[in-house]
Amino acid sequence: GAVVSQHPSRVICKSGTSVKIECRSLDFQATTMFWYRQFPKQSLMLMATSNEGSKATYEQGVEKDKFLINHASLTLSTLTVTSAHPEDSSFYICSARDIRGGKVGTQYFGPGTRLLVL
Amino acid sequence: AQTVTQSQPEMSVQEAETVTLSCTYDTSENNYYLFWYKQPPSRQMILVIRQEAYKQQNATENRFSVNFQKAAKSFSLKISDSQLGDTAMYFCAFMIGGGSNYKLTFGKGTLLTVNP
Repeated sequence: GAVVSQHPSRVICKSGTSVKIECRSLDFQATTMFWYRQFPKQSLMLMATSNEGSKATYEQGVEKDKFLINHASLTLSTLTVTSAHPEDSSFYICSARDIRGGKVGTQYFGPGTRLLVL
Repeated sequence: AQTVTQSQPEMSVQEAETVTLSCTYDTSENNYYLFWYKQPPSRQMILVIRQEAYKQQNATENRFSVNFQKAAKSFSLKISDSQLGDTAMYFCAFMIGGGSNYKLTFGKGTLLTVNP
C-alpha cells in the first residue's frame, strides 16, 4: 500500500512553454499533497502544500503564478510550470500524506519528474 | 524554526557489516515525528523508518533500527547486515505533530556506499 505515482517521469520542453506534472495517490486518499524541488546532490526543497478543494500554500520565494497547483480530487494534484525557462530545469517530486490510523503524518513520495527546459 | 542536521556527508561500509548514520534536530515542540528516508540512484524517496516522539521505544524495521534520544535531540539510524542495495542517499526528516500541513524538514543527507 501507500503508492504514489507521478507522470511524466521525464519531460523536455522549449523555453516559454508550459508543462503539467501529475501526482496521484493510488491506494489511499490524500487530502494534502506536497511539491518539492531537488537540485543535484542536494536535499528536497518544499515548494508548496496542496490541499484538496482549496488554494495551495506556497513557501517563501516560490512564485505562485509560475508554479500553478491544482488539487481537484482526493487522489490527484497537478503542478503546472508556466512559461518555463532553463532555470526551471530540475527534479520535481510530489508526496502525499497518509492520514490512515497508525500512519498519521507519514508522507509517501512519487518517483519524481525530471524537467529539462531548452 | 525547526532544523535537522546530518553531520556525515558521506559514509561507506562493507557488505554484511553494521553502520550508523547520525541525525540531530532542534525544536521547542514536544509532539513531533521523525523519519529516515532513503533515496537510491533511481531517486525514488523510500520511507525507511518512522518514530513518534511520545514513544520511548525505539522503532525497528527488519535490519533498520533507530536510537532515539529525545533529551539529546538525537535520532540515529543503524543498518545491520548491510547489503549492496542499501547504497543510497539517506535523509533524516522532522515533522511537527498536529496542524493541517505536517511539513517535513529534511537534513542535507548522508550518502552511504556499501562496498562488496
